[in-house]
Amino acid sequence: DAKTTQPPSMDCAEGRAANLPCNHSTISGNEYVYWYRQIHSQGPQYIIHGLKNNETNEMASLIITEDRKSSTLILPHATLRDTAVYYCIVSGGATNKLIFGTGTLLAVQP
Amino acid sequence: NAGVTQTPKFRILKIGQSMTLQCTQDMNHNYMYWYRQDPGMGLKLIYYSVGAGITDKGEVPNGYNVSRSTTEDFPLRLELAAPSQTSVYFCASRDRGKGNNQPQHFGDGTRLSIL
Repeated sequence: DAKTTQPPSMDCAEGRAANLPCNHSTISGNEYVYWYRQIHSQGPQYIIHGLKNNETNEMASLIITEDRKSSTLILPHATLRDTAVYYCIVSGGATNKLIFGTGTLLAVQP
Repeated sequence: NAGVTQTPKFRILKIGQSMTLQCTQDMNHNYMYWYRQDPGMGLKLIYYSVGAGITDKGEVPNGYNVSRSTTEDFPLRLELAAPSQTSVYFCASRDRGKGNNQPQHFGDGTRLSIL
């Protein structure tokens, strides 16, 4: 079973920030938080990952709470092309296997 | 770099037939993975490999076989196709990197229907 809990769906207005929450209360000390997204039926696309510090790249920002039990993915200026299913996954260890839940369907509205 | 390449993109099989789904990556990644995705669901891990000559089972390995004779290739074999194996199959690879936390890179998938 997935180790994370995400809302099944969210809406966001185009041009606004999209904030996608994720709960991972059972995360272990060596596990990272990864975010991927899947647009329509394409292969999942990596977005960002982090251990305990906040991270930012050209796509998004990742905010991890101090106790590491939850995180938020922020898309600063959502566009229609950001409409996708977003998966929050915790993983670590030697093989770093990913266990996917059902994710959050983000619908960006014009 | 082409990244992760999967062939074929689409295939229809009859029950009981066999086939091999091909996956190749040109990034010299040690780790490779096979997933399946059923409609409306997340991906489930079938098999994975941490390097040439080494493979291991994931969550849903029954009905599948894999081999890893080279770093680049990680084929997935269905020996006796069953309707329950109708799905979209994704291959992924990743570098080990420092700290072993590098992300996985996915191919575009193979859509397989078994009738």
